Amino acid sequence: GAVVSQHPSRVICKSGTSVKIECRSLDFQATTMFWYRQFPKQSLMLMATSNEGSKATYEQGVEKDKFLINHASLTLSTLTVTSAHPEDSSFYICSAASGGGTGPQYFGPGTRLTVL
Amino acid sequence: GIQVEQSPPDLILQEGANSTLRCNFSDSVNNLQWFHQNPWGQLINLFYIPSGTKQNGRLSATTVATERYSLLYISSSQTTDSGVYFCASRDLNGNNRLAFGKGNQVVVIP
Repeated sequence: GAVVSQHPSRVICKSGTSVKIECRSLDFQATTMFWYRQFPKQSLMLMATSNEGSKATYEQGVEKDKFLINHASLTLSTLTVTSAHPEDSSFYICSAASGGGTGPQYFGPGTRLTVL
Repeated sequence: GIQVEQSPPDLILQEGANSTLRCNFSDSVNNLQWFHQNPWGQLINLFYIPSGTKQNGRLSATTVATERYSLLYISSSQTTDSGVYFCASRDLNGNNRLAFGKGNQVVVIP
């Protein structure tokens, strides 16, 4: 149980385009989903927290207009990187939790974004 | 917010050896989790262990919440145990976010 999927696993795009990443909880209802970014050989950095049906809460320094998050259902959240630039290249990982986000988090396999 | 310190940062093990990884926390521990990040980047849940001791095969974990630390034991290590191990605790002052340590990079050599 507690499986989280992410799609796509890898994406290469041109500078200026937008990229959408999907995060799905496959066998449980995720009241809260989290989006992280990870640079090589570093720890995970939380970008934003989203609760189903409400606006995401962004961490300090994360541009909400740059990283659009939608959590329209209890099994799906999306992260859209708008007008991507090379500095947005990174490994993006989502996690999902039930119980209002107070329970354990389960992580997706990640999406490696490369912006040319 | 809560600060998480993991030690040792890097560890090289001979296959079959045992090891202990440690997490220290600057504040009260809550919803503590241990993860293994494999070479493809996937974070695999190892333990959800707010307190006490749990075992799963060759791995076990102990959290002493009153002393703000947790330990992960790897016994009879195998090459597939290589990767980065992260511990994380929910930040009670931080809107349910998980505060991660910097990770323990473990390499098991045959």
